[in-house]
Amino acid sequence: SAVISQKPSRDICQRGTSLTIQCQVDSQVTMMFWYRQQPGQSLTLIATANQGSEATYESGFVIDKFPISRPNLTFSTLTVSNMSPEDSSIYLCSVRPGWGMNTEAFFGQGTRLTVV
Amino acid sequence: DAKTTQPNSMESNEEEPVHLPCNHSTISGTDYIHWYRQLPSQGPEYVIHGLTSNVNNRMASLAIAEDRKSSTLILHRATLRDAAVYYCIPDNQGGKLIFGQGTELSVKP
Repeated sequence: SAVISQKPSRDICQRGTSLTIQCQVDSQVTMMFWYRQQPGQSLTLIATANQGSEATYESGFVIDKFPISRPNLTFSTLTVSNMSPEDSSIYLCSVRPGWGMNTEAFFGQGTRLTVV
Repeated sequence: DAKTTQPNSMESNEEEPVHLPCNHSTISGTDYIHWYRQLPSQGPEYVIHGLTSNVNNRMASLAIAEDRKSSTLILHRATLRDAAVYYCIPDNQGGKLIFGQGTELSVKP
């Protein structure tokens, strides 16, 4: 299993600024992911955070807007850059301990971001 | 990609069984089927997963059709705390879980 701590849990930010969200896991994991959940919507995968290399972004997401760091196997950050009200969402960190597809994923409680 | 189809919403009475269906007709033979749920104001949580056989755990049962084109999540006795959005996800993206719209389950007392 894995316990995920996300910080901050919520924030209200001014447009044009940036916010860095932290994800700390209580064990070493290979696979770590960042999701966005817009109001009333399902989760959308932003990127896979790769340890020691650049993150792999999904279609529609770019590094300049959502830079991700993964300095080790227990920690990652997601930055939401140059924010606009459209970035108001919940951002979630997820991990999959173990290898292969026969493993469950764990999710943080999310960071609720409001951009004004 | 294996796409899924789930009802947008379902309603159940407390203490009664709930059967949540999912169609995944394009799934391949080695793709596990995962189910997660998201309670209000929380991150998703794992419910159950399986490949071919029916699976049971303390939370639910998963019935997988013989042709694997569909599956059904079974909550044996729904409680108010089971009200959530339930997601059926084929595990075929190299470890990434791609969420569909899910089924919003409401439970009436």
